[in-house]
Amino acid sequence: DAKTTQPPSMDCAEGRAANLPCNHSTISGNEYVYWYRQIHSQGPQYIIHGLKNNETNEMASLIITEDRKSSTLILPHATLRDTAVYYCIDATYYGGATNKLIFGTGTLLAVQP
Amino acid sequence: GAGVSQSPRYKVAKRGQDVALRCDPISGHVSLFWYQQALGQGPEFLTYFQNEAQLDKSGLPSDRFFAERPEGSVSTLKIQRTQQEDSAVYLCASSPDDPAHYGYTFGSGTRLTVV
Repeated sequence: DAKTTQPPSMDCAEGRAANLPCNHSTISGNEYVYWYRQIHSQGPQYIIHGLKNNETNEMASLIITEDRKSSTLILPHATLRDTAVYYCIDATYYGGATNKLIFGTGTLLAVQP
Repeated sequence: GAGVSQSPRYKVAKRGQDVALRCDPISGHVSLFWYQQALGQGPEFLTYFQNEAQLDKSGLPSDRFFAERPEGSVSTLKIQRTQQEDSAVYLCASSPDDPAHYGYTFGSGTRLTVV
């Protein structure tokens, strides 16, 4: 079963920032926070990940609280093409060992024109 | 190619028929995963390969499901005697040996419909 909890759906106006929350109540010290998204009829797409510090890349920013029990994915200027299901996932990595991702049901983000 | 390629894109099988789904990972990617995604649900882990070795098959739902990656590149997921509950999208993902830094690249999946 998925270890994270997310709201089932959110709306966002086009051009505005989308802030997607995630609770990681059972995250352990060696687990990364990953975010993926899945646009209709496509496979999941990697967005960003982090361990403790906030991260930013060309797609999004990731804010992780100090206790690591929650995170927020920020899409700074949402477009219609950002409409998708967004998944947050806790996963470990032990160099060469299995690092399978356990998906929940995610948050359906609907960007409105 | 630049991405993970899966074929066929769509497959309709009669109940009881055997099917084979193919995954071409990104060249040089060590890790390969298979996932099953039912309608309205998140993807569920099936099995994991590191090169040609199948290191984790804990997610395969029954002994009708079999996966192989004999030369450490292309992988095939085979389902024998298909049942209606096997209807789903089957996703393949690959990564270099350091997924913690690069994440996984997924294919677009094969949509299997058992009638």
